[in-house]
Amino acid sequence: AQTVTQSQPEMSVQEAETVTLSCTYDTSESDYYLFWYKQPPSRQMILVIRQEAYKQQNATENRFSVNFQKAAKSFSLKISDSQLGDAAMYFCALGGANSKLTFGKGITLSVRP
Amino acid sequence: DTAVSQTPKYLVTQMGNDKSIKCEQNLGHDTMYWYKQDSKKFLKIMFSYNNKELIINETVPNRFSPKSPDKAHLNLHINSLELGDSAVYFCASSLNGPSESYEQYFGPGTRLTVT
Repeated sequence: AQTVTQSQPEMSVQEAETVTLSCTYDTSESDYYLFWYKQPPSRQMILVIRQEAYKQQNATENRFSVNFQKAAKSFSLKISDSQLGDAAMYFCALGGANSKLTFGKGITLSVRP
Repeated sequence: DTAVSQTPKYLVTQMGNDKSIKCEQNLGHDTMYWYKQDSKKFLKIMFSYNNKELIINETVPNRFSPKSPDKAHLNLHINSLELGDSAVYFCASSLNGPSESYEQYFGPGTRLTVT
C-alpha cells in the first residue's frame, strides 16, 4: 500500500521569506512520481512541481524547488520569496503506474504581509 | 479553453435523491479519475478509467456508478444520496504510459451538499 504523510497541519511565513513544507511517503514500487499540488480558496487543484523518482536531480520551478531524498522517502517543498498569492493548502501526492494519486492530508500555508 | 471541466459546480439536493456529475477533458488524455475531498480536505481516489475501461474501484459504495461513454468523458451517478456523501468531487485526467509522467490535471470540482 502507498502512504503519504504530511505531519504539519499548518505553517506561516513572512512575505518574501522562505518556507519548507515536509512530506514523507512509502511505496513498494520502484517507478513512481511525486507531486506537490496547491489548492487555493477557489478549490482548484494546481500542480506546483513534479519529481520523477528515477531522477537524482531535484526539480525546480521558478520559486518552487524540492528536496527529494529517495533513501529516506522524503519529499519537501521549498518556496522562496514567498508571496501573498502562495497562501493556500498544499498537498503532497504519490503516483505511479497503478494510475492513482495517493495524497497526504495537506498543509495550510498562510503568508503574513 | 478549459482542459478539464465539470458540471455542475454546485449541487444541493435532498437525501434519497439520485444525481449525476459530468466531466469532460479536451487534453487527449487516456485516463480519467474521480476523487472525493471530504470536509477535512482529505482527497481520496474513487475510480479510474483508462480508454473507457474501469481500472480502479476503491471500495466505494455501489450507489456510486461511474460511466465513461468515450475516453474524453467520465460521469459519476449517485443513487439514494446520503448525508455522508456531502463533499467536493474532483474529476481529473492524465496521459499514462512508460514515457509519461502520470501528471494529473484536475477539474474545478463539484461541491455536493446533501440535506
